[in-house]
Amino acid sequence: QQPVQSPQAVILREGEDAVINCSSSKALYSVHWYRQKHGEAPVFLMILLKGGEQKGHEKISASFNEKKQQSSLYLTASQLSYSGTYFCGTARFGNEKLTFGTGTRLTIIP
Amino acid sequence: SAVISQKPSRDICQRGTSLTIQCQVDSQVTMMFWYRQQPGQSLTLIATANQGSEATYESGFVIDKFPISRPNLTFSTLTVSNMSPEDSSIYLCSVSIGAGGRNQPQHFGDGTRLSIL
Repeated sequence: QQPVQSPQAVILREGEDAVINCSSSKALYSVHWYRQKHGEAPVFLMILLKGGEQKGHEKISASFNEKKQQSSLYLTASQLSYSGTYFCGTARFGNEKLTFGTGTRLTIIP
Repeated sequence: SAVISQKPSRDICQRGTSLTIQCQVDSQVTMMFWYRQQPGQSLTLIATANQGSEATYESGFVIDKFPISRPNLTFSTLTVSNMSPEDSSIYLCSVSIGAGGRNQPQHFGDGTRLSIL
């Protein structure tokens, strides 16, 4: 079953913060996050393994709560380059097959 | 990360014909995947391309419609057979790269934009 992301879409001004959530109805082994700009391929951002770890990548970080089967992506002091559609990809086992979430369209305006 | 070349980048095809999409990687990879993405939608996994054995298809996708080849660790093809307008979509290959074993990042080719008339 496809993970559900929220919000579906969000518009922010440059410098504002955003949180994107990813919820699964099934137990997860790992969560991946990707960003896709219009007309381009998805680009890998980060991966989180079960254990409740949090990772950071410049001003983008994420957390994974395996008990709640949820992950959140945090974007701080957003930049214009952050615009795009964000997808979580979930793996139930360590077999690398991913099920992608419904997607969140993020628009950053000056 | 690897360089992934996907061909063709786009095509317009007639109903009832077939098209083969190629995915070439500049290094040997264990896992290769094929996805479909409808405009404005998420990615749906079609199958995992296994080297030396038959591909593993996801629910709703069958080998007769989407035959896949994986002759070696750097190359795979996806054929979309007997196409209908419902097959109009973006088809993406991805590879899983990393020395850490399971759950490595996936890296995507640029995709093939397919339109069926």
